[in-house]
Amino acid sequence: AQSVTQPDIHITVSEGASLELRCNYSYGATPYLFWYVQSPGQGLQLLLKYFSGDTLVQGIKGFEAEFKRSQSSFNLRKPSVHWSDAAEYFCAVGASNYKLTFGKGTLLTVNP
Amino acid sequence: NAGVTQTPKFRILKIGQSMTLQCAQDMNHNYMYWYRQDPGMGLKLIYYSVGAGITDKGEVPNGYNVSRSTTEDFPLRLELAAPSQTSVYFCASSTPGTGMGNEQFFGPGTRLTVL
Repeated sequence: AQSVTQPDIHITVSEGASLELRCNYSYGATPYLFWYVQSPGQGLQLLLKYFSGDTLVQGIKGFEAEFKRSQSSFNLRKPSVHWSDAAEYFCAVGASNYKLTFGKGTLLTVNP
Repeated sequence: NAGVTQTPKFRILKIGQSMTLQCAQDMNHNYMYWYRQDPGMGLKLIYYSVGAGITDKGEVPNGYNVSRSTTEDFPLRLELAAPSQTSVYFCASSTPGTGMGNEQFFGPGTRLTVL
């Protein structure tokens, strides 16, 4: 069965600093990988996804992620964080029958 | 397009009561899903549907039922509410497309408290 691990429950960064959120997955076949963001009191919004091709994928809001098969990782990055990026971030792997398995999330706090 | 809509936004139930959480999408998506989100636990799949008349259990189906009579609607039924069902419930939809690389679109959620 597939699984996703987000090792960091909570990360705090200063505005303007760089950001990297970690995601490790376990899946027997070629993975379909996603990053979603959830602002307080809102539903989830897709930031980016990977399922083939270039291992560095660009998403919305200036985010990017790199798929590393050898490390079973799909880490999310942003070069300069804005206060509006404060939210919870979820990594997910696409499984059979179009189901997603989500990690437990990483809460991002941005200090001014 | 309204996307995925959910009603109600908030609800408080007493133990043993029943209710239906409504979900509708206007994107003509075949696939629809119900998740629950508990603090620090991510999202867990309750039920999903690949088309009208077809539903299947997810990871945590106990205590819930679903139906899919139309492409647009996918209601979630709680028959005998229990405190363990206190959670935030999200409905989502997606198109089948090729492989599993399609985005799921999420509704705004229903916050349910069972007392």
